Amino acid sequence: GAGVSQTPSNKVTEKGKYVELRCDPISGHTALYWYRQSLGQGPEFLIYFQGTGAADDSGLPNDRFFAVRPEGSVSTLKIQRTERGDSAVYLCASSLTSVTQGKTQYFGPGTRLLVL
Amino acid sequence: AQRVTQPEKLLSVFKGAPVELKCNYSYSGSPELFWYVQYSRQRLQLLLRHISRESIKGFTADLNKGETSFHLKKPFAQEEDSAMYYCALRAPGSSGSARQLTFGSGTQLTVLP
Repeated sequence: GAGVSQTPSNKVTEKGKYVELRCDPISGHTALYWYRQSLGQGPEFLIYFQGTGAADDSGLPNDRFFAVRPEGSVSTLKIQRTERGDSAVYLCASSLTSVTQGKTQYFGPGTRLLVL
Repeated sequence: AQRVTQPEKLLSVFKGAPVELKCNYSYSGSPELFWYVQYSRQRLQLLLRHISRESIKGFTADLNKGETSFHLKKPFAQEEDSAMYYCALRAPGSSGSARQLTFGSGTQLTVLP
């Protein structure tokens, strides 16, 4: 079956605009993660969903960032009033469950966001 | 706080030579350690995890709790091993807790012909 998919693959926006990034996890995966990867760095955790609820949003940098997963499948990461420092690759990952040791996180191809 | 350090941003070796990618971590308990790999124009994917004690594509990694290290090794590098390698840590958690990964900054391995 298909892996994790993310749309768009690239997004260019202007400072101050609103953007939405979409993640389609692997079917049946209950756990979903968002990471952000800045140039020259490893991915950094943003938020984790178990089912429909955000179980841990401690990685969100500020209140301009918000994510939803209303039906426990597709998730949308929303960024308000974008800033140039938000430019990064946003990665989504999913796994069968977050509570069992050894469950692999499968990553999507990422959305490359550029804020001008 | 947990932290993963990969001291080498770039590493070049010749084909057939041994390769070791270094990874050190800081965590007070017993974490899970992983190596992820990203080949050119491909997505990030799991290479191996310490609990499996397996060899994948000729790579092995041993968790050394005394030195808090999880170095990735391969005795004979191949050109197709050229990629970005990330070491990652996951803290053991209770049921329902987040199981996010903490990544190092990565090492770009180039295997020269």
